[in-house]
Amino acid sequence: AQSVTQLDSHVSVSEGTPVLLRCNYSSSYSPSLFWYVQHPNKGLQLLLKYTSAATLVKGINGFEAEFKKSETSFHLTKPSAHMSDAAEYFCVASPDNYGQNFVFGPGTRLSVLP
Amino acid sequence: ETGVTQTPRHLVMGMTNKKSLKCEQHLGHNAMYWYKQSAKKPLELMFVYNFKEQTENNSVPSRFSPECPNSSHLFLHLHTLQPEDSALYLCASSVPGKSTEAFFGQGTRLTVV
Repeated sequence: AQSVTQLDSHVSVSEGTPVLLRCNYSSSYSPSLFWYVQHPNKGLQLLLKYTSAATLVKGINGFEAEFKKSETSFHLTKPSAHMSDAAEYFCVASPDNYGQNFVFGPGTRLSVLP
Repeated sequence: ETGVTQTPRHLVMGMTNKKSLKCEQHLGHNAMYWYKQSAKKPLELMFVYNFKEQTENNSVPSRFSPECPNSSHLFLHLHTLQPEDSALYLCASSVPGKSTEAFFGQGTRLTVV
């Protein structure tokens, strides 16, 4: 079965410092991969997606992620955290060819300290 | 604003009530989903509809009954719920195909008392 692992349930950074949220997936082939963000009591918003084109993907709000097949990883980074980045982040894989079997990671809560 | 609208945003219901959640999208998507998000638990896929046909029922209790009358609308009918069913219920839609992302609504916060 496909699975997505987010190694940290909670990450805390200071405003202005880099953000690293880790994601690993298990798949017998390269899936499509996504990062979503969820602010409190809101729906999920797409940050970025990897679709087998460039391995370094740029998203909204200064976030980017790098697909590394050898490490089966898709870590999310941002050079400088902003207070508004505090939210829950989900790594998602879509392993099949129909894009309907979205497999969610458990989520990482990002706190940004002033 | 993702183009997926859920109503109501908040719902409080008793265990003997019957209520329905509504999801609507006019993005031209043909796949629609219900997810349940409980505190401290991963997002749980409940149902998938593809071109109005249910293609996945993830062992959901029968007190949850989905309905998809057309590709733009999705309902979740609720009856005789339990307090543990209290959660955020999220609707999503997508275009069937590889590399397509899901678009999520804002969710309905359901409290069962």
